[in-house]
Amino acid sequence: DVKVTQSSRYLVKRTGEKVFLECVQDMDHENMFWYRQDPGLGLRLIYFSYDVKMKEKGDIPEGYSVSREKKERFSLILESASTNQTSMYLCASSKQGAGEKLFFGSGTQLSVL
Amino acid sequence: KNQVEQSPQSLIILEGKNCTLQCNYTVSPFSNLRWYKQDTGRGPVSLTIMTFSENTKSNGRYTATLDADTKQSSLHITASQLSDSASYICVVSADSNYQLIWGAGTKLIIKP
Repeated sequence: DVKVTQSSRYLVKRTGEKVFLECVQDMDHENMFWYRQDPGLGLRLIYFSYDVKMKEKGDIPEGYSVSREKKERFSLILESASTNQTSMYLCASSKQGAGEKLFFGSGTQLSVL
Repeated sequence: KNQVEQSPQSLIILEGKNCTLQCNYTVSPFSNLRWYKQDTGRGPVSLTIMTFSENTKSNGRYTATLDADTKQSSLHITASQLSDSASYICVVSADSNYQLIWGAGTKLIIKP
């Protein structure tokens, strides 16, 4: 089974802190994604990567950056956390191809105080 | 504007009963439609992926239908179990995994 592991289930940070969310997948997938999920809304894509060192902005990249130095690892960085970034963050991976399934991690619930 | 709308927002049924969840979309171009199940506090898990030419697809007690003409899909759950309690999310792909439009989900509660 594919495993996508997110480093933390819960995080509490202060406004202005730099926050790192880590994600590792073990199935040699080319694509990796970061989404945020807020109550009553569909998942929103922050960034995705289709190869090592490659990154593309999603629908809501403002206030975030990403890093993909190795194929299995995709990091999401909040340069200066703000309260409106309090959310559930979900990492996913997939093979290349339009019809490929996304496999998700369990998510990180981030609270910014 | 590309949109995916799901109904109802929430649903409570008794264990053993059947139910049907609805998804309407206005997405163009269309590549495929997916249903995901998301347990509370977990990431979504794929149930089905349907392309334009597929009308019906089953995964155990879950059956998804797609009407590409009316841009509607449904997810039918047969003989519900307590473990079916979850949110069910409809997702439409515009042309790749990079352009997925997510519905807000239907929260299903199964009562014993």
